[in-house]
Amino acid sequence: DAKTTQPTSMDCAEGRAANLPCNHSTISGNEYVYWYRQIHSQGPQYIIHGLKNNETNEMASLIITEDRKSSTLILPHATLRDTAVYYCIVRPRTLSNYKLTFGKGTLLTVNP
Amino acid sequence: DGGITQSPKYLFRKEGQNVTLSCEQNLNHDAMYWYRQDPGQGLRLIYYSQIVNDFQKGDIAEGYSVSREKKESFPLTVTSAQKNPTAFYLCASSIGSAVTDTQYFGPGTRLTVL
Repeated sequence: DAKTTQPTSMDCAEGRAANLPCNHSTISGNEYVYWYRQIHSQGPQYIIHGLKNNETNEMASLIITEDRKSSTLILPHATLRDTAVYYCIVRPRTLSNYKLTFGKGTLLTVNP
Repeated sequence: DGGITQSPKYLFRKEGQNVTLSCEQNLNHDAMYWYRQDPGQGLRLIYYSQIVNDFQKGDIAEGYSVSREKKESFPLTVTSAQKNPTAFYLCASSIGSAVTDTQYFGPGTRLTVL
């Protein structure tokens, strides 16, 4: 699986947009980009995933560069409850892939 | 209320005792998974099951056992053979048949072995 690189930590002011970058320069054509987050002492929460087009849902937007080597997760109006570790994961697009490989992620701290 | 439940949230056991962690889902998912998370680390796959009465070892299966007798349930037993059982244990489930098969996680069980 392709590896991902994320900043260790980021800060964001409440009410502002939080933009979390992820580098996945070795991604291959059959690999999806997934984002999860984990609030302290809770299970990971699925946020969004995409292949090559930008995606948006009720939680966030995912912007994938044209060459697919990086992506940005956008939380449009961050709240204190968005403070969590955010994981960017690359997964092959196959039925046989069963494992999610979580790296260290980015600790996003939303400040009042 | 649909979702994945894990019980208990906190569990304490003495060294040398086996302990079983519960995982139940009412999402009608075929596939279920067990992961382990240590402080400051990512998740590591212990076991997974893609269908009832079938399961496979993940990356760190030694010292663990599972069963999958019902679609809704995938209990994990931490045996006395597991050298470092203290960890945060996470259960997940997914449809199992989709190419973009999203895994959804339960709240986790924090096991402490004294």
